[in-house]
Amino acid sequence: ILNVEQSPQSLHVQEGDSTNFTCSFPSSNFYALHWYRWETAKSPEALFVMTLNGDEKKKGRISATLNTKEGYSYLYIKGSQPEDSATYLCAFITHTGNQFYFGTGTSLTVIP
Amino acid sequence: EPEVTQTPSHQVTQMGQEVILRCVPISNHLYFYWYRQILGQKVEFLVSFYNNEISEKSEIFDDQFSVERPDGSNFTLKIRSTKLEDSAMYFCASSEALATRPYEQYFGPGTRLTVT
Repeated sequence: ILNVEQSPQSLHVQEGDSTNFTCSFPSSNFYALHWYRWETAKSPEALFVMTLNGDEKKKGRISATLNTKEGYSYLYIKGSQPEDSATYLCAFITHTGNQFYFGTGTSLTVIP
Repeated sequence: EPEVTQTPSHQVTQMGQEVILRCVPISNHLYFYWYRQILGQKVEFLVSFYNNEISEKSEIFDDQFSVERPDGSNFTLKIRSTKLEDSAMYFCASSEALATRPYEQYFGPGTRLTVT
């Protein structure tokens, strides 16, 4: 079983603050890293698919970077809003399989 | 926008009973998956399904579990004799063909299974 870790486990920030969290994964046999945003009682929503070392992706106020050599990805949220409150999951996929290996998630609460 | 749907949203069953969890994947997708999340733990892969057969499964997916695509739209997960430790949120996902990797997996909202 491949170990994917996310930190911190939970985070509370004030509206307007920028924040970031980390996903760590095995650097060998890397194929892709996915970030998902998951609100309670809803389906996880795909944010980014990242494949290349040095990738940077952006969607509105949310961006992500990828370092496959050292095995980590950062997710950044600029100017957090209450609607950003959710659990952010990363999922790692290898060259040799189709299954996702998920991290534990970072639960973000943005306080108005 | 097309989405993956799952029914029921919550299923309560007694230990030893059989349950069937149902999913309707996105219509043009060819890969289907089941994951589960036990409360407080990571989301874990159970099985992937392609071309009417299992393509990959985890050690969790033992003989008590089976999957089926009984018609052109549904994808089901059956647990033959439920145990207390099967209580979890079960997620279905689907994705386009493997040839378009890296691909996104689109998740349903989950079925919460409670075994009493």
